[in-house]
Amino acid sequence: GQQLNQSPQSMFIQEGEDVSMNCTSSSIFNTWLWYKQDPGEGPVLLIALYKAGELTSNGRLTAQFGITRKDSFLNISASIPSDVGIYFCAHLTTSGTYKYIFGTGTRLKVLA
Amino acid sequence: DGGITQSPKYLFRKEGQNVTLSCEQNLNHDAMYWYRQDPGQGLRLIYYSQIVNDFQKGDIAEGYSVSREKKESFPLTVTSAQKNPTAFYLCASRGYMNTEAFFGQGTRLTVV
Repeated sequence: GQQLNQSPQSMFIQEGEDVSMNCTSSSIFNTWLWYKQDPGEGPVLLIALYKAGELTSNGRLTAQFGITRKDSFLNISASIPSDVGIYFCAHLTTSGTYKYIFGTGTRLKVLA
Repeated sequence: DGGITQSPKYLFRKEGQNVTLSCEQNLNHDAMYWYRQDPGQGLRLIYYSQIVNDFQKGDIAEGYSVSREKKESFPLTVTSAQKNPTAFYLCASRGYMNTEAFFGQGTRLTVV
């Protein structure tokens, strides 16, 4: 199945640092979703984006819907140890079938 | 408390046995999905259902079966035909006209 390109694949950062990751598609999207998955748990929805150029925050997290509609960005400010996990971008296809396309994931490790 | 529940959290089975994973939601969602996740990998779609009594194969349906007799339930059976069944299985649901998927906490299946 189709997957979205997400980068970086993994990153180690120091506690307190800001983190940036992005997700790109070859197609134009009208929604972007960002999820976080803790080890051994199901993904949890962080932020949903519905409009090109939209910038939405959820606590220390900020996500942006790229103006080309082919990319999205997630930033985490002042990282803390509990930010550890895998971050996925996702998109719901609405042309005929309603299936999700997921990014390949960014694995974040925070060094205290 | 509304949510989506998968049970059990851990499941062990002998090779050659069929096993059924439970997924129940009380969110009144129409669509439900099953994904498989292998270590360090993204989410791969097994089966999905947009409405009661209807379901479609995903990208890796071989060796799996599902039923959707009730809106709130979407059990997944891992059959003996699945060559490599050991994995983390995730169930998700989505409301009609909504974009966001909500996930259960996952079932880790180990076949020995």
